Parts: sequence; C-alpha cells; structure tokens
Amino acid sequence: AQRVTQPEKLLSVFKGAPVELKCNYSYSGSPELFWYVQYSRQRLQLLLRHISRESIKGFTADLNKGETSFHLKKPFAQEEDSAMYYCALSGLETSGSRLTFGEGTQLTVNP
Amino acid sequence: DVKVTQSSRYLVKRTGEKVFLECVQDMDHENMFWYRQDPGLGLRLIYFSYDVKMKEKGDIPEGYSVSREKKERFSLILESASTNQTSMYLCASSLWVDRGRSGPQHFGDGTRLSIL
Repeated sequence: AQRVTQPEKLLSVFKGAPVELKCNYSYSGSPELFWYVQYSRQRLQLLLRHISRESIKGFTADLNKGETSFHLKKPFAQEEDSAMYYCALSGLETSGSRLTFGEGTQLTVNP
Repeated sequence: DVKVTQSSRYLVKRTGEKVFLECVQDMDHENMFWYRQDPGLGLRLIYFSYDVKMKEKGDIPEGYSVSREKKERFSLILESASTNQTSMYLCASSLWVDRGRSGPQHFGDGTRLSIL
C-alpha cells in the first residue's frame, strides 16, 4: 500500500521568511513524487515533480529515499504563495497513472 | 492548454436521488479520474479509467459508479445519493506516456455537491 502524510494542516509564515512544507511517504517500490497547489478560487494545478528536478516559482523539493520524504521549500515566501498545497505519490510498480494524495497543508504568508 | 470541463460548479440534490456528474477533456488523454476533496482528508480517488469502457476502483468506490463510453468523457454516478456524499468532486485527466508512467494530471474546476 502507498501512503502520503503531510503532518501540518496549517502553516503560517511572514513574507520574506523561509518556508518548508513537509511530506513523508510510504511505498516499497520506486515512487514518483509531486507537489500540487490550489490557489483561492482556482483549480488544482501541478507545481513540480521530482523527476524534473526544477524550481518553480522559487520552490524546490528533493526526494530523500532514505528518509522517505519530499519536502517543499522556498527561501523567501511571498504573499502570493498563500494556497493549499498537496503532496502526491505515483507508484510505478502498481498503477503508474494513479496518484495518492496527502491531506494537504494550507499555507498563509502574512505581510 | 489542456481543458478539463466539469458540467456544474454547484449542484444540490436530495437523498436517494440518482446523481450524474459529467467531465469532458479536450486533449485526447487516455487516463481520467474522479476524486472527492474534503477538508483534512485531502483528495481521495473514487474511480479511474485508462481507456474507453475501462474502469478501475480507487480508494473509496462505495456508493459510486462510473461510465466511459467516449474517450473524452468520464461520468461519475451516485446511485442513491446520501448526505455523507456532500463534498467537492474533482475530475482529472492525464496522458499515457509508457508502461508505468503518465503525464501530470490536469484538473477541472470541481463540482460542489450538496445532498439534502
């Protein structure tokens, strides 16, 4: 079975402060990890995926297989980063297309 | 740009009714998905489909069924609506890339369904 855990339901930081949204997973095979974001009154959209190894809107995430984590980081948070963030996992040994989502973290960046 | 369109943004139905939620995508994607989104629970997969007339159960299929008669359309059916099915329902689609992999999922705006 595959599982994704986001331990923080709510996270609040000040503008310009570093932010880290935690994601831990359990999966015995080769995972593919994603971060999705949902801004207020917008549809859920892909933020980044670990195989791309790219930075989107200043966010990065590194897959740590030893710690089974995929934390999302940004060195200087902006007010427009306020949104709901979901970590998701796709297991290649099972159904490679389906995603298992975490519970989500609501990020608020205060001015 | 991929467009996933859900037929209704808001829907109010009564207990016991049969409810249809429709989803259409315009990018010839093979994979389509139905999720429900609840606060504190994240997104939970109800059903998904890899191809026309093909369906597989997700994590919470009880009380739901699906239909995929055409590649672009994936319907979610609540056979006999109950109040605990009040939720936000999200449809998504993705492109099949190769064995074990697919492209990112693209989501619709969601349907907020209330069962009274």
